[in-house]
Amino acid sequence: GAGVSQSPRYKVAKRGQDVALRCDPISGHVSLFWYQQALGQGPEFLTYFQNEAQLDKSGLPSDRFFAERPEGSVSTLKIQRTQQEDSAVYLCASSRTGDHQPQHFGDGTRLSIL
Amino acid sequence: AQKVTQAQTEISVVEKEDVTLDCVYETRDTTYYLFWYKQPPSGELVFLIRRNSFDEQNEISGRYSWNFQKSTSSFNFTITASQVVDSAVYFCALSEYTGGGNKLTFGTGTQLKVEL
Repeated sequence: GAGVSQSPRYKVAKRGQDVALRCDPISGHVSLFWYQQALGQGPEFLTYFQNEAQLDKSGLPSDRFFAERPEGSVSTLKIQRTQQEDSAVYLCASSRTGDHQPQHFGDGTRLSIL
Repeated sequence: AQKVTQAQTEISVVEKEDVTLDCVYETRDTTYYLFWYKQPPSGELVFLIRRNSFDEQNEISGRYSWNFQKSTSSFNFTITASQVVDSAVYFCALSEYTGGGNKLTFGTGTQLKVEL
């Protein structure tokens, strides 16, 4: 497709379960970002990939959060032992390069932890 | 640390009114980029504009215009003759260089409601 694709669109999990969120960026985009958006707030940076290299993971809230992009295209954000405070919309964005190019966002995955 | 402030939480206007959304930013960088994004109810953030710190010219795109004033660290967004389809949350963001890329610091957003 032409845009950034994220799946699933909605995810409900019980506290303590592991979840995996997928992001398929725009073809050819080198840079990939994950953001977390709480209700009524702006997105907050989680992590950044340039091709397959994770160059910044300073925004990941805890070691329960893990992201990968093994072949430099699709990325997965994994959350282990989920907690209620993990409930949020997780947004993925990609850009052609990392040189302050506009980031193009997917629709997000709305994660609800019961 | 970088910071973006959007003091207006919610604005309601009647269709065809002009409306200005305020954005104030803080950064220690001498070179930086500012962005505006629109988030309709569907949730996808839609890119509207990018402006670098060296270009203080105002920009107009159709009914949209942007006023960048470095002296007051502001990057305000005006919609002329607003329409119902403009109803959305609008985010201002500041780009910060990180390890070869740039991460965005967003404001808390302004909810714009345009009514008939």
